[in-house]
Amino acid sequence: ILNVEQSPQSLHVQEGDSTNFTCSFPSSNFYALHWYRWETAKSPEALFVMTLNGDEKKKGRISATLNTKEGYSYLYIKGSQPEDSATYLCAFKETSGSRLTFGEGTQLTVNP
Amino acid sequence: NAGVTQTPKFQVLKTGQSMTLQCAQDMNHEYMSWYRQDPGMGLRLIHYSVGAGITDQGEVPNGYNVSRSTTEDFPLRLLSAAPSQTSVYFCASNHNTHQETQYFGPGTRLLVL
Repeated sequence: ILNVEQSPQSLHVQEGDSTNFTCSFPSSNFYALHWYRWETAKSPEALFVMTLNGDEKKKGRISATLNTKEGYSYLYIKGSQPEDSATYLCAFKETSGSRLTFGEGTQLTVNP
Repeated sequence: NAGVTQTPKFQVLKTGQSMTLQCAQDMNHEYMSWYRQDPGMGLRLIHYSVGAGITDQGEVPNGYNVSRSTTEDFPLRLLSAAPSQTSVYFCASNHNTHQETQYFGPGTRLLVL
């Protein structure tokens, strides 16, 4: 079983704060790293799929970086808004034929 | 496109009862998966399929069966429900491509008494 860890488990920030959280994964083999946004009472929605070391992806105020050699990815949210409140999941894929292994997620709450 | 659909949305079962959770997708995705989500455990893979007629076990397959007779449908069957199977179940599908973004259904909330 692959170890995919996310930290922190939960995070409370004020509206306008910038924040970031971490996903760590095994660095021995790497195929892809996914980030998903999961709002309460909804289903997870894809944010990014990252495949190359050094990849940086951006969607609006949310961005992500990837370091496959050391086995981590950061997700950044600039100027957090209450609507950013959600659980952010990362998922690791070791090879093209392997399954996605999900982390437990970081639960973000943005207070107005 | 309807995307990934799941039925029912909510179900209550008694211990020992059997039932089938339905999942369908209209995106012609090769891959389909079933996950369960429990507090503090994240999403755990139950079974998955890489194409019609092909299924394989995930991380927590015990107590569940699947079949994939068509590309569109991937039902999950609970043979004899147990309280430990109380969970929220998500079906997901994706293309077999390099990007492989997973598309999730709305979930089925199951309570086993």
